Amino acid sequence: TQLLEQSPQFLSIQEGENLTVYCNSSSVFSSLQWYRQEPGEGPVLLVTVVTGGEVKKLKRLTFQFGDARKDSSLHITAAQTGDTGLYLCAGAGTASKLTFGTGTRLQVTL
Amino acid sequence: KAGVTQTPRYLIKTRGQQVTLSCSPISGHRSVSWYQQTPGQGLQFLFEYFSETQRNKGNFPGRFSGRQFSNSRSEMNVSTLELGDSALYLCASSSWTGYEQYFGPGTRLTVT
Repeated sequence: TQLLEQSPQFLSIQEGENLTVYCNSSSVFSSLQWYRQEPGEGPVLLVTVVTGGEVKKLKRLTFQFGDARKDSSLHITAAQTGDTGLYLCAGAGTASKLTFGTGTRLQVTL
Repeated sequence: KAGVTQTPRYLIKTRGQQVTLSCSPISGHRSVSWYQQTPGQGLQFLFEYFSETQRNKGNFPGRFSGRQFSNSRSEMNVSTLELGDSALYLCASSSWTGYEQYFGPGTRLTVT
């Protein structure tokens, strides 16, 4: 069974601070996706990383896929209240099935 | 392009009843996956359908079943509801199996 552990589980920071969320596994994934979910809604895809060592930037968000394709990180620079939500990583592995991480709940306050 | 739609958005049922949830994927998407989301267990995979065939299945009891129609619309059914089935049920569509998922808003099921 492929498992994805995210850390931290909860994060409460003030606007303007930087943060990093980690997504770790002992399994290798062919690609890894990051989603953000707001209360009462379904997750929304932010980015997909495919190549080991790949770095993608989406405005203030930086995503990195580990060299061995077993882990990933999400770094947010100068967080804003609009970044509040549940962040989920998801790995595509064997049998083309997506495995979702345990989630990181981020709260950004003024 | 219209997004994934799910109906109903909210549902209240009693133990022992059964329920059917519906999902219409993004036009052109042939893969539909279903997930159960609870505070304690997170997002758990139920099953995936591609071109009317079940391609993958998660570790849920046989009370959970699904199907996909020729127009890619999908339904999931839960029979003999239990209190623990209370959850947000999410449907996601994808152009191909295991690729980027586009989620609907979910159906919030409460079992009393």
